[in-house]
Amino acid sequence: DVKVTQSSRYLVKRTGEKVFLECVQDMDHENMFWYRQDPGLGLRLIYFSYDVKMKEKGDIPEGYSVSREKKERFSLILESASTNQTSMYLCASRKGGTSQPQHFGDGTRLSIL
Amino acid sequence: GQQVMQIPQYQHVQEGEDFTTYCNSSTTLSNIQWYKQRPGGHPVFLIQLVKSGEVKKQKRLTFQFGEAKKNSSLHITATQTTDVGTYFCASTMDSNYQLIWGAGTKLIIKP
Repeated sequence: DVKVTQSSRYLVKRTGEKVFLECVQDMDHENMFWYRQDPGLGLRLIYFSYDVKMKEKGDIPEGYSVSREKKERFSLILESASTNQTSMYLCASRKGGTSQPQHFGDGTRLSIL
Repeated sequence: GQQVMQIPQYQHVQEGEDFTTYCNSSTTLSNIQWYKQRPGGHPVFLIQLVKSGEVKKQKRLTFQFGEAKKNSSLHITATQTTDVGTYFCASTMDSNYQLIWGAGTKLIIKP
């Protein structure tokens, strides 16, 4: 089974802090994704990566950056956290093309105070 | 931008009643994927449909893809408490990488 592991289940940070969310997958998947999930809004794509060191903006990249130095790891960075970034963050990975399913981690519930 | 509209946002049913969620698009969909997210959990892939008019079944769940490939539905017969959660549809549309997600339908079983 595919295992996608997010470093923290719950995280509390302060406004203005730099926040790192880590995601690791163990199945050699090329594609990795970061979403945020808010009630009534479904899943919104922040960034994705289709290869090491490659990244593409999703629908809501403002205030975020990403890093993919190794194939198995995809990091989401909040450069200067703000209260409107309080949310559930989900990481996913996928092997191959878009016809393949996405596999999700358990999520990180991030609160910015 | 491209959108997949999913309705209803919530559905309350008595245990044993049926449940249906619908996804619609103004443009032709290349495929449709369905995911289930249990309360407190993460989305889990259920199935993918790619052919016009396709119907697939998984026990009490029936998935349909419209003839014009612009809509899809998920129907659950005789709901059980284990069906509780949010059901999402998603489609690649014409993207090479990302999925376009519906907003989800939350299934709530009334006590």
